[in-house]
Amino acid sequence: NAGVTQTPKFQVLKTGQSMTLQCAQDMNHEYMSWYRQDPGMGLRLIHYSVGAGITDQGEVPNGYNVSRSTTEDFPLRLLSAAPSQTSVYFCASSLQASVSGANVLTFGAGSRLTVL
Amino acid sequence: GQQVMQIPQYQHVQEGEDFTTYCNSSTTLSNIQWYKQRPGGHPVFLIQLVKSGEVKKQKRLTFQFGEAKKNSSLHITATQTTDVGTYFCAGRTGNQFYFGTGTSLTVIP
Repeated sequence: NAGVTQTPKFQVLKTGQSMTLQCAQDMNHEYMSWYRQDPGMGLRLIHYSVGAGITDQGEVPNGYNVSRSTTEDFPLRLLSAAPSQTSVYFCASSLQASVSGANVLTFGAGSRLTVL
Repeated sequence: GQQVMQIPQYQHVQEGEDFTTYCNSSTTLSNIQWYKQRPGGHPVFLIQLVKSGEVKKQKRLTFQFGEAKKNSSLHITATQTTDVGTYFCAGRTGNQFYFGTGTSLTVIP
């Protein structure tokens, strides 16, 4: 099993450009989520999904879109990148969210994004 | 909104000294999880606490969940250089996980 795979690992964008961060998991996890990590801020939830076709907003959703057409994939889209979106992004999944014992998060390796 | 705070933000210890990080939530949590992130790496799950007042141990690591289910702590006895990293707590409310700000541990050999 590959676990949670994120691509790309590094990306540099210019302000206003768009891009998609890819996240795929092969563990048949229902729950998938995106976080951004900034110094001194911990991990902040951007969007999450409890299953295919279902997505919801987290703490910091502005400027980001997601979709969940399959159980395996949960891409994060930046429609018009801004310097404030410079960060390290982590995708994480779990079997379920609300069942203790099934809600341990498995993280991808991260994607470092710089917006100039 | 939900807030999970951790203190201290940074901790430098001599190898062999003890280390503790504290996690406080503004609201009652369903459970609390702890993760470790090595420098340049991604968070890795350590443990989950579910019951009020629960205490769990993993070798030199002791985890506690407060009686009101609003705070937690991680204590490392006799730190080693392999303990270096950032420790995060994460509380769950509904389908959302709220991570603490993290405590970065440096162990001086």
